[in-house]
Amino acid sequence: SAVISQKPSRDICQRGTSLTIQCQVDSQVTMMFWYRQQPGQSLTLIATANQGSEATYESGFVIDKFPISRPNLTFSTLTVSNMSPEDSSIYLCSVGSVEGENIQYFGAGTRLSVL
Amino acid sequence: AQSVTQLGSHVSVSEGALVLLRCNYSSSVPPYLFWYVQYPNQGLQLLLKYTSAATLVKGINGFEAEFKKSETSFHLTKPSAHMSDAAEYFCAVSARSNFGNEKLTFGTGTRLTIIP
Repeated sequence: SAVISQKPSRDICQRGTSLTIQCQVDSQVTMMFWYRQQPGQSLTLIATANQGSEATYESGFVIDKFPISRPNLTFSTLTVSNMSPEDSSIYLCSVGSVEGENIQYFGAGTRLSVL
Repeated sequence: AQSVTQLGSHVSVSEGALVLLRCNYSSSVPPYLFWYVQYPNQGLQLLLKYTSAATLVKGINGFEAEFKKSETSFHLTKPSAHMSDAAEYFCAVSARSNFGNEKLTFGTGTRLTIIP
């Protein structure tokens, strides 16, 4: 398994501002994923981030709103841009297992409230 | 494409009773199936996984799940519920791939409440 650290763990932001969430993993991994969990709902994949290439976004999510960086094999950031109250959610980072078993390990998440 | 249906958004069982959380999947290719648990204010923790070996999979904390292809089901069970089992449980599916990790598709979750 992998140990994943997400920062910040929670934040309260004003509408119109942007927040960058960091995800650090303790081993080199090929694939990292960013999910959104809206209040009382399940997880929805935002994008897949591979090192050295552009992130792949799911339907309904765009790079201008959720830019992602993946500078190396242990780190990624997700930015939530021009926030509105509808962006209030938990944002979770996950990494694929190095064994290639299609297992994903999750960070503790970032709880974002937008006022 | 894959999808997951979890029957019952809320399940309550008495302490010591059987826990049964239902999950049905749809997949156009042989699937990998997972159960994750989310405790309050925490991330997701992997409970168990089915990746094509034994159809009865044992996980952590006494949980197990059985893959039934004919029923397209992967229900989660635990013989005797404990108060610490109170949490949100998510079933998830991904496609198998020779290239490793594929994206997960999650069910809507089941909130398990344990009655003392």
